[in-house]
Amino acid sequence: DAKTTQPTSMDCAEGRAANLPCNHSTISGNEYVYWYRQIHSQGPQYIIHGLKNNETNEMASLIITEDRKSSTLILPHATLRDTAVYYCIVRLLYNAGNMLTFGGGTRLMVKP
Amino acid sequence: EADIYQTPRYLVIGTGKKITLECSQTMGHDKMYWYQQDPGMELHLIHYSYGVNSTEKGDLSSESTVSRIRTEHFPLTLESARPSHTSQYLCASSRETGSYEQYFGPGTRLTVT
Repeated sequence: DAKTTQPTSMDCAEGRAANLPCNHSTISGNEYVYWYRQIHSQGPQYIIHGLKNNETNEMASLIITEDRKSSTLILPHATLRDTAVYYCIVRLLYNAGNMLTFGGGTRLMVKP
Repeated sequence: EADIYQTPRYLVIGTGKKITLECSQTMGHDKMYWYQQDPGMELHLIHYSYGVNSTEKGDLSSESTVSRIRTEHFPLTLESARPSHTSQYLCASSRETGSYEQYFGPGTRLTVT
């Protein structure tokens, strides 16, 4: 899996968009970008993934730059329940179901 | 909502006791995993299974054992609990089609006194 770099922590006001960046400059052409989050004392939760096109689901949007060296996870209207550690990982699709290894992640604090 | 369940959610037990942590999923996933995680720390894989009668040890050395007799059930057993086993244990399963994401259970927080 390619290495990723994320800011250690971020704050966001409730109701505003939370934009979480991730750098993955060594990503290879067939590696996907996956995002998970972990709310305190709970198991990790899958959020979204993408290859090169922007993706959107009911939880978030994923914007991947044209050169694929970085991406941004967008929570359009952050709530207090979105306070969590967010992990960006890069891996081949057929490895995506294999054991997960998370780096430090970004600790997002949503404030009232 | 993911259909993966763990029991018990919390367990406090004395040293030397045998315990089994239960994990079940109703999604028909072949791949299942057990991770160990201390508060604020990284996930560590301790066991995994790619299907019935298949079990492997993970990256983190563990004194626990697992079995996979049925697709939906992946219990973890500690024959003799010790204080060093105090941790949170997370069970997960993954799809082998589509997006291949992993689904995690709520975890079992184990305290060995």
